[in-house]
Amino acid sequence: DAKTTQPPSMDCAEGRAANLPCNHSTISGNEYVYWYRQIHSQGPQYIIHGLKNNETNEMASLIITEDRKSSTLILPHATLRDTAVYYCIVRVVAGNQFYFGTGTSLTVIP
Amino acid sequence: NAGVTQTPKFQVLKTGQSMTLQCAQDMNHEYMSWYRQDPGMGLRLIHYSVGAGITDQGEVPNGYNVSRSTTEDFPLRLLSAAPSQTSVYFCASSPYGGGDNEQFFGPGTRLTVL
Repeated sequence: DAKTTQPPSMDCAEGRAANLPCNHSTISGNEYVYWYRQIHSQGPQYIIHGLKNNETNEMASLIITEDRKSSTLILPHATLRDTAVYYCIVRVVAGNQFYFGTGTSLTVIP
Repeated sequence: NAGVTQTPKFQVLKTGQSMTLQCAQDMNHEYMSWYRQDPGMGLRLIHYSVGAGITDQGEVPNGYNVSRSTTEDFPLRLLSAAPSQTSVYFCASSPYGGGDNEQFFGPGTRLTVL
């Protein structure tokens, strides 16, 4: 599985959009991009995933560049409860292993 | 549905002791996995299973055994605990292996080995 690179930490003002970048320059055509988050020491929580197209759900939007070498997770209106570590992961279609990396620690500031 | 459940929530062991961490899911998921998370680190895959009777090693399998006799349960055994195994352990499940489905995680077991 390809590896990902994320900034170690970011801040965002409450109510503003949080844009979390991820670099996956060695991604293959059959690998999905996943985003999870972990609040305190709880189990990770699924946010969104995509292959080629941009995706949106009730939690967030995922923007994948045309060459698929990077992506951005967008939390449209960040709240204090969005303070967490966010993990960007790539996973092959037929793969069984999931590599989390160290993620981005997002702090939402009042 | 209870989702993914793990027991115990906390455990303290002495070096050399053995124990089993329990994981169960009630979603009829084929794929189950175990991760460990050390302080300030991301999760690392220990073992996984793509169905009853089938298990395989992940990134950090040494010192751990698993079995999958039923779809619902996926216990993790520490054969002879070592201080290096002090960590938080997460179990996860998904409908199947592969890239187009999400994993559901349990609340974790916090293990300390003295």
